[in-house]
Amino acid sequence: DADVTQTPRNRITKTGKRIMLECSQTKGHDRMYWYRQDPGLGLRLIYYSFDVKDINKGEISDGYSVSRQAQAKFSLSLESAIPNQTALYFCATSDPDRGGYGYTFGSGTRLTVV
Amino acid sequence: AQTVTQSQPEMSVQEAETVTLSCTYDTSENNYYLFWYKQPPSRQMILVIRQEAYKQQNATENRFSVNFQKAAKSFSLKISDSQLGDTAMYFCAFMSRRGGGADGLTFGKGTHLIIQP
Repeated sequence: DADVTQTPRNRITKTGKRIMLECSQTKGHDRMYWYRQDPGLGLRLIYYSFDVKDINKGEISDGYSVSRQAQAKFSLSLESAIPNQTALYFCATSDPDRGGYGYTFGSGTRLTVV
Repeated sequence: AQTVTQSQPEMSVQEAETVTLSCTYDTSENNYYLFWYKQPPSRQMILVIRQEAYKQQNATENRFSVNFQKAAKSFSLKISDSQLGDTAMYFCAFMSRRGGGADGLTFGKGTHLIIQP
């Protein structure tokens, strides 16, 4: 099994719908991150969490919310999806003691909002 | 805040050639890491190489090496003897060592590298 699992892998949804992207990890890492990738823009940080009570906004948090249900689970929600939220979404975990080698990415969720 | 700039949206070279991907960054910090990530069509993010800012020696990993110029804030990736499997998006990324990288990674916009047979 993958260390960081994202579900679903692909999703098409309609404008205005609520959607949740899920991420679970078996790395035992406290730190978890959500990034968004757009063509020509690279990856940008949406939210990050250091534990279930510590949630932080990233560069582009507007229109998104997150929930850290447990150390192993970190979900990203779009309350009312809009077409410009069409993107590839990555979840990642990190181990601060490994100096950057500790990042593990999921396989991504490709979200299309029509 | 830091920024990472990749000025080559796309590059194409012949198999077995050497190619260099450019990256510049801007930061006021002195202690940080720089990375190159590879993203093949499978979309997995794969760490290619890491450079520690306080180390003058350039990192190397088999066919991959970097040219790290700290004063110029430049961090290029050289791929020698390029192979078809090197075809991918390549992202340059910055991580502050403050708080063990608590703020996450800052990525450039990426370079799409195509290796022609």
